[in-house]
Amino acid sequence: NAGVTQTPKFRVLKTGQSMTLLCAQDMNHEYMYWYRQDPGMGLRLIHYSVGEGTTAKGEVPDGYNVSRLKKQNFLLGLESAAPSQTSVYFCASRHLRGEKSRWNSPLHFGNGTRLTVT
Amino acid sequence: SQQGEEDPQALSIQEGENATMNCSYKTSINNLQWYRQNSGRGLVHLILIRSNEREKHSGRLRVTLDTSKKSSSLLITASRAADTASYFCATDATGGSYIPTFGRGTSLIVHP
Repeated sequence: NAGVTQTPKFRVLKTGQSMTLLCAQDMNHEYMYWYRQDPGMGLRLIHYSVGEGTTAKGEVPDGYNVSRLKKQNFLLGLESAAPSQTSVYFCASRHLRGEKSRWNSPLHFGNGTRLTVT
Repeated sequence: SQQGEEDPQALSIQEGENATMNCSYKTSINNLQWYRQNSGRGLVHLILIRSNEREKHSGRLRVTLDTSKKSSSLLITASRAADTASYFCATDATGGSYIPTFGRGTSLIVHP
């Protein structure tokens, strides 16, 4: 049981390049989230998904796209990377099935992807 | 925008002392969660306290919640060097969105 796995761990991109960050969870969680973490800013939500085939925008979605074709995977894409997207990206998942568990369910995080755009 | 705001931003103590961190939030909540983040790692869940609870314990951790003041505190007793980390609070606002909003965190350093 690996939990939430993010790949790659590190990446350096040049401005204008594209890449995809992969998040995989093996806990059969319904909800998945992509956050970015910048110094002094805490975690800010980029996009999230409430189930397979569905995605929604978070607080800072511009410049990113996401897809959730399979329940266990949530992909974050950068079509044309910019220096402002230099950050640490975290994926998280959450189990929200059932009324009793719904408000007792924490997030499970991956270990992050450190992205530098030059 | 941040829903939760931790205070202080940084805390430096000696091993064996207690560490107290506070979190204030703005809107009505269903629950409040505390997470720890070690350097270079992801966040790890510590305690979740529901809006109808006032206090919760887990080992050396004690969390209180005052919904009238929209605030929570995390107490770590008898701290250890291994407790050195950043601590974040997150809230699930009422309304059923299930989208937790995080604060900026408290950086705790415990000196051996």
